[in-house]
Amino acid sequence: AQSVSQHNHHVILSEAASLELGCNYSYGGTVNLFWYVQYPGQHLQLLLKYFSGDPLVKGIKGFEAEFIKSKFSFNLRKPSVQWSDTAEYFCAVIAGNNRKLIWGLGTSLAVNP
Amino acid sequence: GAVVSQHPSWVICKSGTSVKIECRSLDFQATTMFWYRQFPKQSLMLMATSNEGSKATYEQGVEKDKFLINHASLTLSTLTVTSAHPEDSSFYICSAATPGGGSYEQYFGPGTRLTVT
Repeated sequence: AQSVSQHNHHVILSEAASLELGCNYSYGGTVNLFWYVQYPGQHLQLLLKYFSGDPLVKGIKGFEAEFIKSKFSFNLRKPSVQWSDTAEYFCAVIAGNNRKLIWGLGTSLAVNP
Repeated sequence: GAVVSQHPSWVICKSGTSVKIECRSLDFQATTMFWYRQFPKQSLMLMATSNEGSKATYEQGVEKDKFLINHASLTLSTLTVTSAHPEDSSFYICSAATPGGGSYEQYFGPGTRLTVT
């Protein structure tokens, strides 16, 4: 069965530190890849997505992610985090023609000012 | 664009009663909507996929007679929690998928907090 794993469940960083959140999926075919963010008390928002083309995807708020097909990975990065980046981050995948999102368990990021 | 609303944003009901939650796509037509539950500090659990004009497809372990889903139009899907119990208390989130194309993106509603007393 398809699955998505996020390696870091809780991450604590200081402001200006660099961030990388790991995401791996299990599916050998075509995938659509997403990172969503959920700020405290708010609803899910799309950070970035990959459908095809350039495997390095830039999203909102300075986030980017790189799709490495050989590693089945779609890691999220930000060179310098801010306190306002404190949130839950979810990696999600659509496998093949199935329209359902397969979710990772999420990573809770806390950025200390 | 691509705004999804949910109503109500929160609801408290007594055990044994039914509660209806609405999900609307405000500026686009959604042939497919999804209903999720989210427990505190956890990921989203897909409950069912709702297609306009047809019966919803429920995920394994989700009681279709308890969680009634109706997708009567291209902009509205409803989830009715029947005979609610305290264990049904949760955060319910809907999403709507843009139609057509080979790539699918879901837009999420703000969620509905259900508390069953």
